[in-house]
Amino acid sequence: GENVEQHPSTLSVQEGDSAVIKCTYSDSASNYFPWYKQELGKRPQLIIDIRSNVGEKKDQRIAVTLNKTAKHFSLHITETQPEDSAVYFCAAEDDYNKLIFGAGTRLAVHP
Amino acid sequence: EPEVTQTPSHQVTQMGQEVILRCVPISNHLYFYWYRQILGQKVEFLVSFYNNEISEKSEIFDDQFSVERPDGSNFTLKIRSTKLEDSAMYFCARTALSYNEQFFGPGTRLTVL
Repeated sequence: GENVEQHPSTLSVQEGDSAVIKCTYSDSASNYFPWYKQELGKRPQLIIDIRSNVGEKKDQRIAVTLNKTAKHFSLHITETQPEDSAVYFCAAEDDYNKLIFGAGTRLAVHP
Repeated sequence: EPEVTQTPSHQVTQMGQEVILRCVPISNHLYFYWYRQILGQKVEFLVSFYNNEISEKSEIFDDQFSVERPDGSNFTLKIRSTKLEDSAMYFCARTALSYNEQFFGPGTRLTVL
């Protein structure tokens, strides 16, 4: 079955810097890769996603890239702000439409 | 996109007791899912439900778990005999009308004592 690895587990940046979180997946049949942001005590919130027919997608300060050949995808946050501090999860959708999540990255943005 | 709601927000129970967690989706959604998140860990798939039937279930979803849509609207997850290790956040999720995107409910925090 699908397996998703996520790195780093923690990331600390200064406000205004960029942050990059990377994920790899194992099942080449996976075609949908969402990213979720989870603030303390709250639900995971979908922030951006990408499908296998595109290599990059951008939404304001966040972007996601996908390399299907290498089976990895990344989240890029530019001009980080303190409110970006949260745990970020990548996921891959398998053949049965369920999401397999990475272990999460705790991002801390320091003013 | 409208979200799902979940009740209760927090459930405290004694080990061995049965609990029922509820999810109230919008009726025209197709797929529903239950996920579990143990404190500080990743989100784990439990079960998916399509057209009032289980579509797939994980290894976590053993005989102690069941799902139902008893009245065509509420979507329930039952744990028959809770264990300490069932303590977690339980999230209901549904797909968007455009498919693929899964939106999570606010979750139920289950504490088993």
